[in-house]
Amino acid sequence: SYELTQPLSVSVALGQTARITCGGNNIGSKNVHWYQQKPGQAPVLVIYRDDNRPSGIPERFSGSNSGNTATLTISRAQAGDEADYYCQVWDSTFWVFGGGTKLTVL
Amino acid sequence: QVQLQESGPGLVKPSETLSLTCTVSGGSISSYYWTWIRQPPGMGLEWIGFISKSGSTNNNPSLKSRVTISVDTSKNQFSLNLSSVTAADTAMYYCARTNSGYDPQKFYYYYYMDVWGKGTTVTVSS
Repeated sequence: SYELTQPLSVSVALGQTARITCGGNNIGSKNVHWYQQKPGQAPVLVIYRDDNRPSGIPERFSGSNSGNTATLTISRAQAGDEADYYCQVWDSTFWVFGGGTKLTVL
Repeated sequence: QVQLQESGPGLVKPSETLSLTCTVSGGSISSYYWTWIRQPPGMGLEWIGFISKSGSTNNNPSLKSRVTISVDTSKNQFSLNLSSVTAADTAMYYCARTNSGYDPQKFYYYYYMDVWGKGTTVTVSS
């Protein structure tokens, strides 16, 4: 079965750029979607189809996908960006989620 | 603005069937796919299954034949039944609206969830 690998945690200084990776075999051939989940809340879609932002998501959030790695980039990180982030793809007949990355803003 | 609300028992006994309903407001249920996802305490997201616009379903193979997802267009609701539950089914259960399409550049079908319910906690215990 297809697997997505994310780092357990990423730290970023306030105002700096955070990059969260999602690794998978030839993931660049798929569309990757990213969700943000704050404690006690439901997930929120922040990037869909690799690099598209839903309405209401700040331009500070961007995505890329190539080869074996997809990346969620958060520019000018804010305290409010602290959350768990999950990547997700569709693999032939079922969904796969990454294990999630906890982003800490220092 | 579309909103989703999960409802159902918060406590289910082992070996019984977990039944949840998701009520969709602010939009028609007929135009999208609809998905159930769960999250065990302290763990990540797990896809349960979805129902398409045509009523066909696709479920997580790890849950085998325990999952049934159905839709009631007259009530703008869709439902989840998970049979023979165990403690491992204790989780927060979310329903979500799902967008689908085909990427002609990648020859790839995609699905993603753009609207989520707040979730409902289900505990399996005697």
